[in-house]
Amino acid sequence: AQSVTQLDSQVPVFEEAPVELRCNYSSSVSVYLFWYVQYPNQGLQLLLKYLSGSTLVKGINGFEAEFNKSQTSFHLRKPSVHISDTAEYFCAVSDKNTDKLIFGTGTRLQVFP
Amino acid sequence: GAGVSQTPSNKVTEKGKYVELRCDPISGHTALYWYRQSLGQGPEFLIYFQGTGAADDSGLPNDRFFAVRPEGSVSTLKIQRTERGDSAVYLCASSSRGGAYEQFFGPGTRLTVL
Repeated sequence: AQSVTQLDSQVPVFEEAPVELRCNYSSSVSVYLFWYVQYPNQGLQLLLKYLSGSTLVKGINGFEAEFNKSQTSFHLRKPSVHISDTAEYFCAVSDKNTDKLIFGTGTRLQVFP
Repeated sequence: GAGVSQTPSNKVTEKGKYVELRCDPISGHTALYWYRQSLGQGPEFLIYFQGTGAADDSGLPNDRFFAVRPEGSVSTLKIQRTERGDSAVYLCASSSRGGAYEQFFGPGTRLTVL
């Protein structure tokens, strides 16, 4: 069965610093990969997704992620974070034979002034 | 346009009671998903509808859980004989076609079983 591991439950960072949120998945088949963000008291919102093609994917709000098949990773990055990026970030995977998303446990990004 | 809506936003019930949670997907979306998010966890897949039929119900934890989508639009998640362990946020999402297409999530229903 597929699984997603988000290695960091919390990531504290100062404003304007770069950040990387790590995600690894376990699957031997072709997959789709997603990052969702959950702001306080709001629903999940898609940040970006990898379906095929270029391994570097750009999303909303200046975030990007790189698909690395050999390391089964899909780490999320932002070169300079803002206070407003404080939220919970979820990595998710689905395989091409099913439509359900398998989520990681989430990483709470806390941006300090 | 309107997003995915879920009612009620909060539901408090007693152990052993029956509850229904409703999801209104984005108009025209054929795929509808239910997930459950427990405290400190990521969303966990429950069931997926394509049109009126359940295409994948492998995530339903036991036979106390049931979901319907009779007209291919609104869906209702039904939980019988609720247990304290059922307490969680129940999320609904819809997608225009399923698969790689983006799933749009609703705000969720917070269920508390006393």
